[in-house]
Amino acid sequence: NAGVTQTPKFQVLKTGQSMTLQCAQDMNHNSMYWYRQDPGMGLRLIYYSASEGTTDKGEVPNGYNVSRLNKREFSLRLESAAPSQTSVYFCASSEAPLGQGEQYFGPGTRLTVT
Amino acid sequence: GENVEQHPSTLSVQEGDSAVIKCTYSDSASNYFPWYKQELGKRPQLIIDIRSNVGEKKDQRIAVTLNKTAKHFSLHITETQPEDSAVYFCAAVYQGGKLIFGQGTELSVKP
Repeated sequence: NAGVTQTPKFQVLKTGQSMTLQCAQDMNHNSMYWYRQDPGMGLRLIYYSASEGTTDKGEVPNGYNVSRLNKREFSLRLESAAPSQTSVYFCASSEAPLGQGEQYFGPGTRLTVT
Repeated sequence: GENVEQHPSTLSVQEGDSAVIKCTYSDSASNYFPWYKQELGKRPQLIIDIRSNVGEKKDQRIAVTLNKTAKHFSLHITETQPEDSAVYFCAAVYQGGKLIFGQGTELSVKP
């Protein structure tokens, strides 16, 4: 089992460019999450999904969109990147219902917006 | 609002000493409280969790206590070792299943 995988590992964007961060899990989990991690601010929830076809906003959704393409994949899109979106992005999945059990994190994507 | 306060932000202890990290949450309906450990450059990993129907839970050198009345929960690490050095995050689940994390505690265990 690969667990939770994320691509790319690193990305540099110019302000205004768009990109999609990919996430996939092979554990047959229903729940999936996207977080961003900034120094001194912990992990902040961007969007989450209870199952294929459903998504909900987290703490900091502005500037992002998501797609739960199928049970395995959950992508995060930045339509017009801003320097404030420079961060490390983690995808996670869980077997338990939303928020109620262990979340398994991917290795992260380090994004820099110049 | 939906928030989790975590203290201290940094903690330095001598090997063999105990370490305690404290968190508070704001929603009395929260019923699940996990703790994650993140080593430098790695992904967060769950080390222990507690549900609201339990006051304390232990796993070898790690324990978590929950005071629902005061909306406090704490992580206790005994007999600390250098490999315990990492950033520790507490979290609480809020309405809709949103897991809200504290700001993190950087624990340094000096040999």
